[in-house]
Amino acid sequence: DARVTQTPRHKVTEMGQEVTMRCQPILGHNTVFWYRQTMMQGLELLAYFRNRAPLDDSGMPKDRFSAEMPDATLATLKIQPSEPRDSAVYFCASGLNRNRESDTGELFFGEGSRLTVL
Amino acid sequence: SQQGEEDPQALSIQEGENATMNCSYKTSINNLQWYRQNSGRGLVHLILIRSNEREKHSGRLRVTLDTSKKSSSLLITASRAADTASYFCATDSMRASYDKVIFGPGTSLSVIP
Repeated sequence: DARVTQTPRHKVTEMGQEVTMRCQPILGHNTVFWYRQTMMQGLELLAYFRNRAPLDDSGMPKDRFSAEMPDATLATLKIQPSEPRDSAVYFCASGLNRNRESDTGELFFGEGSRLTVL
Repeated sequence: SQQGEEDPQALSIQEGENATMNCSYKTSINNLQWYRQNSGRGLVHLILIRSNEREKHSGRLRVTLDTSKKSSSLLITASRAADTASYFCATDSMRASYDKVIFGPGTSLSVIP
């Protein structure tokens, strides 16, 4: 059963520490989205990759967040240094975009990484 | 902002009743999707409706799209306690250079047994 896998599921860390979240998209999918979910802001789009190329990371605080896809099976979201306001659930989603147009289909979400920064 | 806005924010109904949730958005879209999220879980895709479609059905779900009003509705018929979840609409903009999928704030549905 194909699914998006995210690790870790839970992370508690202290302010100033580096946090890395990982995502394994579904094999064959060519788009990866990173979202952050909080009660106050809802689901915020942080970054987007198509065919491993970053097309948009305008939703991320540039000074502390970075997103990469070192290969087709791994996407990473890194926060350095972390702050209490980064506490949230971070979701990775993958999908298949069959053409160059802005026409995405169904997204498949992982179970999320719940981050708590003390 | 392209972001969809769901209405109502919260909905409580009795099992067996129908639940209707609405979504409004601001820019022209290619398609609109509805997702469901159970507490503590990831989002699960329910249904996708394209901009040239007006209505779509999937089991107990019925989705309508009115592009002239930039709005959509999700109807869940004969609700069950297991339908208790948050429901989100998501849109991707025709104006974006890529398939940027933006989610609304969601509707929290409680189905009382």
